[in-house]
Amino acid sequence: AQTVTQSQPEMSVQEAETVTLSCTYDTSESDYYLFWYKQPPSRQMILVIRQEAYKQQNATENRFSVNFQKAAKSFSLKISDSQLGDAAMYFCAYRSPPGTYKYIFGTGTRLKVLA
Amino acid sequence: NAGVMQNPRHLVRRRGQEARLRCSPMKGHSHVYWYRQLPEEGLKFMVYLQKENIIDESGMPKERFSAEFPKEGPSILRIQQVVRGDSAAYFCASSAGPDSPLHFGNGTRLTVT
Repeated sequence: AQTVTQSQPEMSVQEAETVTLSCTYDTSESDYYLFWYKQPPSRQMILVIRQEAYKQQNATENRFSVNFQKAAKSFSLKISDSQLGDAAMYFCAYRSPPGTYKYIFGTGTRLKVLA
Repeated sequence: NAGVMQNPRHLVRRRGQEARLRCSPMKGHSHVYWYRQLPEEGLKFMVYLQKENIIDESGMPKERFSAEFPKEGPSILRIQQVVRGDSAAYFCASSAGPDSPLHFGNGTRLTVT
C-alpha cells in the first residue's frame, strides 16, 4: 500500500528566509502524481504545487519549488522569501496512476513564519 | 463564488443525533469526493461519487455513514447516531474527471458532544 510520510510536525522560518519541508512516500507504481497543499487557519485546502512522476524537471510556482527525487521517493517543498501569509499546515499528497483518484495525504507540517 | 461550497461550516450534534453535511461542487464538475480529517492528521478518503452513482465507498465506515449525489442538488454525507469519535473536519472535493486535480471546499467541522 502507498504511504506518505512527513517527518517534521513543525517548522519555523524567519520572514524573507528560505525553508524546506520534507516528504517521503512509498509506492511500487512508476506513474503517479505528487502534490503539496496548504491549509491556513481558515481550513481551506489550497493546491500549492503539483508534480508528475514521469517529468524529470522539478515543478516551480513563483516562490514555491520542489525537489523531486524519484529513486529516493522524496518530494520536498522549498519556500523562498517566506512571507507571513505562508504560515499554515502543509500537506504532501500522493495520487496513484491515471484512472485512479484516491489521494493519500501525509500528516502535515505546521509552518510558522517569524517576523 | 465558483468554488466548492460546503455547509454548514460548523455543526454541533449530541451523541445519537444525525448529521447531514452538504457539498455543491464547482460548476461543471460532476465528480465529488468526501475526505475526513481527524485532529492532527491528514485527510483520509471516504467516498467517491458521480451524479446518482457511488463509485467507491471503500473509505467509509460500513455502519451509520452514507453518501449521495442526486441528479439535482448537492452531495450529502449523512452520519446517523453520531458518536464522539465522529468529531472531525469533513472535506468535500470536486473534479472535472477522475484524473483531474481536486478542488476542495472549506470543510465542515463536526463536533459531537
